Amino acid sequence: EADIYQTPRYLVIGTGKKITLECSQTMGHDKMYWYQQDPGMELHLIHYSYGVNSTEKGDLSSESTVSRIRTEHFPLTLESARPSHTSQYLCASNEFSGRLNEQFFGPGTRLTVL
Amino acid sequence: AQTVTQSQPEMSVQEAETVTLSCTYDTSESDYYLFWYKQPPSRQMILVIRQEAYKQQNATENRFSVNFQKAAKSFSLKISDSQLGDAAMYFCAYGGGSNYKLTFGKGTLLTVNP
Repeated sequence: EADIYQTPRYLVIGTGKKITLECSQTMGHDKMYWYQQDPGMELHLIHYSYGVNSTEKGDLSSESTVSRIRTEHFPLTLESARPSHTSQYLCASNEFSGRLNEQFFGPGTRLTVL
Repeated sequence: AQTVTQSQPEMSVQEAETVTLSCTYDTSESDYYLFWYKQPPSRQMILVIRQEAYKQQNATENRFSVNFQKAAKSFSLKISDSQLGDAAMYFCAYGGGSNYKLTFGKGTLLTVNP
């Protein structure tokens, strides 16, 4: 299995709470991604980073924010959680290796906002 | 923009039989990679097989093989001798050129019947 970790694996919180989903990888990859996976299992890219101090919004608009202060760490923050944020969040990473851009995925965080 | 289409939301197969999952994509690029990922229930997404577009030979990984038709922009996955552990959501993904991001299809849920 790939060395990419996400914590917590499961989180149930109340509306209005601030939360941070953690993602870290030990592979030295410079590129990292956050996906939101809806109940139908479709993946939506919400944030990505191509290196330290570089973050971009993905294809799906999200109220979450991300930061990339260290290569191995790419946390996602929701300032005020709402029930509409209930979803599974997947973190992934890859590196430039020739032109191969296979992504490695973490186990995911399943978030429920009550 | 690239698109990936998986036309089969669900498929089922009998144990030990063969099943083929379909994937088509649209791109104007000539150099790209294609992937099949597997996401078992409540488990991590893992890479099943990859195909470089410049290679004419179809990729194989043990019981998994692809039928890559570049002109038709088709990339199907064949699973031979299906096993109960093959039950999962399967995603087809496209990665092109210097864009490190992947474009995913909506997925095909595979059920393996004993």
